[in-house]
Amino acid sequence: EPEVTQTPSHQVTQMGQEVILRCVPISNHLYFYWYRQILGQKVEFLVSFYNNEISEKSEIFDDQFSVERPDGSNFTLKIRSTKLEDSAMYFCASSPPYVYEQYFGPGTRLTVT
Amino acid sequence: EDKVVQSPLSLVVHEGDTVTLNCSYEVTNFRSLLWYKQEKKAPTFLFMLTSSGIEKKSGRLSSILDKKELSSILNITATQTGDSAIYLCAVEASGNEKLTFGTGTRLTIIP
Repeated sequence: EPEVTQTPSHQVTQMGQEVILRCVPISNHLYFYWYRQILGQKVEFLVSFYNNEISEKSEIFDDQFSVERPDGSNFTLKIRSTKLEDSAMYFCASSPPYVYEQYFGPGTRLTVT
Repeated sequence: EDKVVQSPLSLVVHEGDTVTLNCSYEVTNFRSLLWYKQEKKAPTFLFMLTSSGIEKKSGRLSSILDKKELSSILNITATQTGDSAIYLCAVEASGNEKLTFGTGTRLTIIP
């Protein structure tokens, strides 16, 4: 069964550094998302992406964040100048056309020290 | 702002018991409600309920949407230790693509 995949599974970085989190959505899906979950808190929406552009973003998704689909398979989240409070599990999700079910990847645990 | 509240926050039952998890929501222009199971990491999709599909069933799991009460329940019958997980409820509004999640119910099944 097709799955969303994410790399790396765990990333440790120093405050102020840039990180890129990578996702490979399910192949026939057209809508892509990033969410994050700070330890012990709710899953929070960051951004959705469709047709090579951001279709919706939350207040969390400020200028520090950017997303890109550099080729036909990868979907990336870049965090510039990471802060301690960016430490969280970051989930990528995708959904097929005309169906609103979102399928999540296994997540990348980001630790900012 | 969309809001999702789940109860109870945690639940411990014995294997073989039946459990009911609750989710209530406040959302403008409701489109769908989704249930996910979160074990170690990723939320795994269980059900999606909409105005045109207010009841879903898969094996021992079933879910009902009550649009009048703005709530949903997730039932698990004959629970097994593998059902131990956090169960997440999320809602989606028309015109939006984001899911708004509740805090989840942590279900623990004791053998």
